[in-house]
Amino acid sequence: GAVVSQHPSWVICKSGTSVKIECRSLDFQATTMFWYRQFPKQSLMLMATSNEGSKATYEQGVEKDKFLINHASLTLSTLTVTSAHPEDSSFYICSAMEVAGARWPNTDTQYFGPGTRLTVL
Amino acid sequence: AQTVTQSQPEMSVQEAETVTLSCTYDTSESDYYLFWYKQPPSRQMILVIRQEAYKQQNATENRFSVNFQKAAKSFSLKISDSQLGDAAMYFCAYRSAQFADKLIFGTGTRLQVFP
Repeated sequence: GAVVSQHPSWVICKSGTSVKIECRSLDFQATTMFWYRQFPKQSLMLMATSNEGSKATYEQGVEKDKFLINHASLTLSTLTVTSAHPEDSSFYICSAMEVAGARWPNTDTQYFGPGTRLTVL
Repeated sequence: AQTVTQSQPEMSVQEAETVTLSCTYDTSESDYYLFWYKQPPSRQMILVIRQEAYKQQNATENRFSVNFQKAAKSFSLKISDSQLGDAAMYFCAYRSAQFADKLIFGTGTRLQVFP
């Protein structure tokens, strides 16, 4: 149980275009999903927290107009990188946390998707 | 603000031996959760083990166990009978039980396993 998928697993795009990444919780409902960015040989950097049905909360320094997050349902969150530039090239990872009241140990634990490698040419 | 420190950038272990990865954290909260995540070359983050701060008993999951010292704010991971598949980056993470849901990660420890 507690499986999270991401699509696509990798994407190459031209500078100036927009790219959408999907994050799905496959066997549980997630009230909260998180989006991270990871640079090579570094730890995960939280970009934003999204709650189903409400606006995402962005971390300091993350441009909300550039990284659009939508959490339309309890199983799906999307990250859209708008007007992508080469400096946006990175590994993007989502995670999902099960709704409160779910069976232990799923509550309070984030389960991660396999990540999406974005390359902007 | 809470911080998580992993002071060992790299560790190595012989297959079938035991290795301990260190993690310390700083917080003023009394209720929180601690996690160890593994990131193999595939880059999929995998939950290894979790510990609730209110529990005195150390968590165990098969070959993985923790030494949770709340007063010392230490949360080390012990891997017994190491296997080649244990080679990965290991991240220690903290989550407040009261405020926000986000994880605070350490910088990671790269574990190499030699046959």
